[in-house]
Amino acid sequence: IAGITQAPTSQILAAGRRMTLRCTQDMRHNAMYWYRQDLGLGLRLIHYSNTAGTTGKGEVPDGYSVSRANTDDFPLTLASAVPSQTSVYFCASSDATGGSTDTQYFGPGTRLTVL
Amino acid sequence: GQNIDQPTEMTATEGAIVQINCTYQTSGFNGLFWYQQHAGEAPTFLSYNVLDGLEEKGRFSSFLSRSKGYSYLLLKELQMKDSASYLCAVMDSNYQLIWGAGTKLIIKP
Repeated sequence: IAGITQAPTSQILAAGRRMTLRCTQDMRHNAMYWYRQDLGLGLRLIHYSNTAGTTGKGEVPDGYSVSRANTDDFPLTLASAVPSQTSVYFCASSDATGGSTDTQYFGPGTRLTVL
Repeated sequence: GQNIDQPTEMTATEGAIVQINCTYQTSGFNGLFWYQQHAGEAPTFLSYNVLDGLEEKGRFSSFLSRSKGYSYLLLKELQMKDSASYLCAVMDSNYQLIWGAGTKLIIKP
């Protein structure tokens, strides 16, 4: 079944550790996104990529990095995790080329707890 | 700044109709999206409005007034499975989505 997969499903991490959240889509979508979702707040964009080889910063990029080596994969890395990065992380993709209003489709999410 | 407002929680009865409102102030407007999110799951797309008026899709309808910065999602013939959070999001001038905090809809028998 076509869609977006994320790994791990959940993770408990010690503060200061490095962590990579994985995201893979098989819909051949151009654009991919990373959001975090916290209770009482809307989804907030961390980083995005309009096409393979390019990335951009969203609303809350500090402490996170991304790469887009190919169309399918868009990993999110926390270089040195802090407790404020405890959240649910969603990866999304759309068939957008920057300047398009195509619908975003979401992966199942990763629940991350930083202690 | 950019802002999306929607009620935090609403309660409705099975079989009834409920209207979830969303008001927005954003830098530019390239359309408004409604998503449904069940607890512990990913958001899933419901509707998209870019022109004023009502878009109907089965039991769900979405309305937009760009001049008022206002939208609503109308759910008819409510079913227990409609218990979920409903997220309003506006695409701004940079084609990025600005999200409301969501409205948790509780359906009672």
